[in-house]
This record gives sequence, C-alpha cells and structure tokens, in this order.
Amino acid sequence: DSGVTQTPKHLITATGQRVTLRCSPRSGDLSVYWYQQSLDQGLQFLIQYYNGEERAKGNILERFSAQQFPDLHSELNLSSLELGDSALYFCATTSGGQYDTQYFGPGTRLTVL
Amino acid sequence: EDKVVQSPLSLVVHEGDTVTLNCSYEVTNFRSLLWYKQEKKAPTFLFMLTSSGIEKKSGRLSSILDKKELFSILNITATQTGDSAVYLCAQISGTYKYIFGTGTRLKVLA
Repeated sequence: DSGVTQTPKHLITATGQRVTLRCSPRSGDLSVYWYQQSLDQGLQFLIQYYNGEERAKGNILERFSAQQFPDLHSELNLSSLELGDSALYFCATTSGGQYDTQYFGPGTRLTVL
Repeated sequence: EDKVVQSPLSLVVHEGDTVTLNCSYEVTNFRSLLWYKQEKKAPTFLFMLTSSGIEKKSGRLSSILDKKELFSILNITATQTGDSAVYLCAQISGTYKYIFGTGTRLKVLA
C-alpha cells in the first residue's frame, strides 16, 4: 500500500459524458502527477501539480483538466468522453524534491461505452 | 523529444534463470532514471539511479546506469514466478517530467 488513494476504483459511463477522478496524496507529499495507461500504450504523462500550481504538462487533451486543492488532493476532470478515453488513470505523488521517487495510487479504471 | 526505449518487449524464462532488461534513453536534461515493477495494478518503485557506474542492489535485483552510453540495465537472478510482471523504466528530465518506456513483460514459468 503506497499511501496514495484514488477514487473511484471503477467508472463506467457513456460517450459525451463528464467524469471526475480524485487522488489523495501521501501525508507530506506536495506534488501530484496524473497518468493515462491504455491497453496498447505505456504510461502517458498528463499533468503535474505542485502545492496547488500547475508545474508540467504532458500529453493532456483539451477536453481534460485538473486541479490541486489547498488540502493537496487533486482532481482530474474528463469531459466529452470518447471510446478512446477508456483506460486506467493513475495518480502518483512525491514530496516535490528534485530526485523524488513517485508513489502510485491504485488507479481508476474508466470504461466509456 | 525525450524518449525512453525498453527491450526486449517480452521475455519468457524458467524459474532459476537470470534475465537482463534494457532501458535506453534520449534526453536533453537528464536528472535520474527509475525502475518500476507493475503486476496487476499500480507500478511499485524498485530503484532510482542518478550516478553512472554505481550498482544498486536489492536482493536478487540489481541495476546500473551508464550515462555516457545513455542506458540502464535491470538484472534479476534466480528468477521466481513472483517476478512475473511488466518492468518499466522512466527518466526524470527537464522540468520535473517523468517519461516512461512501454515496459518489458516478463513471464517466469515454474
């Protein structure tokens, strides 16, 4: 158990809908990363927040957005969902230092029908 | 563009064999390289390497980084069925970006 929690565990929804995924970091961790992992691709970095501010952006679609709240939990919002958005979404957290390792949450499996 | 390439893509061995997994990277501002093991769900951290030529060890697993040739290897000796997993390597480069390879799928047969 990494100490990082993600909810929900599974999510099934229809195309065109909007969903919110939640990540709670380990105690003391200031930085949150979001990743997408689909069957045919490895981990794709989406976005990173550090202490409430966006720090780095990866391959995140315009339909997706994220934020980090004052209590340091983060939410990833996915809108106008398409079939291709079906994937496992992980968050990972670090304390924010330069050489930190990432601790991954258990992931949210999103299925878009 | 920064890139991480892992090989082989997939590997099947018998218990007791030794395996070597490769990770090569292209980077403009290298900070460190990490290895993860991913079984059914989330990746779990194995090693972080920042200095060239220094081997990190944990039980039957070891890893080394060559910053001149831009690669790292992960060795697993006396493999067990519990080592079956996808092994991911990632680099931390630029401004806090973590770039993952697509992984090597290892299957260890009893």
